[in-house]
Amino acid sequence: LAKTTQPISMDSYEGQEVNITCSHNNIATNDYITWYQQFPSQGPRFIIQGYKTKVTNEVASLFIPADRKSSTLSLPRVSLSDTAVYYCLVGFNNDMRFGAGTRLTVKP
Amino acid sequence: DAGVIQSPRHEVTEMGQEVTLRCKPISGHNSLFWYRQTMMRGLELLIYFNNNVPIDDSGMPEDRFSAKMPNASFSTLKIQPSEPRDSAVYFCASRRGGLGLKNIQYFGAGTRLSVL
Repeated sequence: LAKTTQPISMDSYEGQEVNITCSHNNIATNDYITWYQQFPSQGPRFIIQGYKTKVTNEVASLFIPADRKSSTLSLPRVSLSDTAVYYCLVGFNNDMRFGAGTRLTVKP
Repeated sequence: DAGVIQSPRHEVTEMGQEVTLRCKPISGHNSLFWYRQTMMRGLELLIYFNNNVPIDDSGMPEDRFSAKMPNASFSTLKIQPSEPRDSAVYFCASRRGGLGLKNIQYFGAGTRLSVL
């Protein structure tokens, strides 16, 4: 299973762009990169998924370099409600595993 | 769709008692996952089913834990006997079948278990 490494925590302020980078040096050819968000007392929720280059949806963007050994989740203009734990997962089908995640705290 | 439904939301029991957690996956999803989350160990995958068949139970901590999926719309996770160290939030998630892209897991609200 591909192992991921993320910062344990990050702080930001409202209105700023936040970039969370995940390292996955042993990513396999078939693996996708998926990000989840978890608020306190809730289950994780899917944010975005990609295989290569850039993916954008209404919530975030995901940047994946050509070697795919890392990925960056970009949250534009964060608000207090974006305070959560963000998980990066790498895998294919059911072989993805959650790591420790990055605890993002957005301050006013 | 109502999403993944877990019951009960909270469970308080005494050490040695049997505990049964329940999960109803999203209709049409054919993979089901049980997770345990604690501050110390984070989110751990306990077991997952594909088409009602257990595929990987390597995360089940010990024989006191068992999980079943008798049909596509129901699964249970049982702890017998329960111990204080089993106190955690237990999540169930389901996923639609198919390969690769958008193999997204949808999580329930969780069951917070406290074993006294």
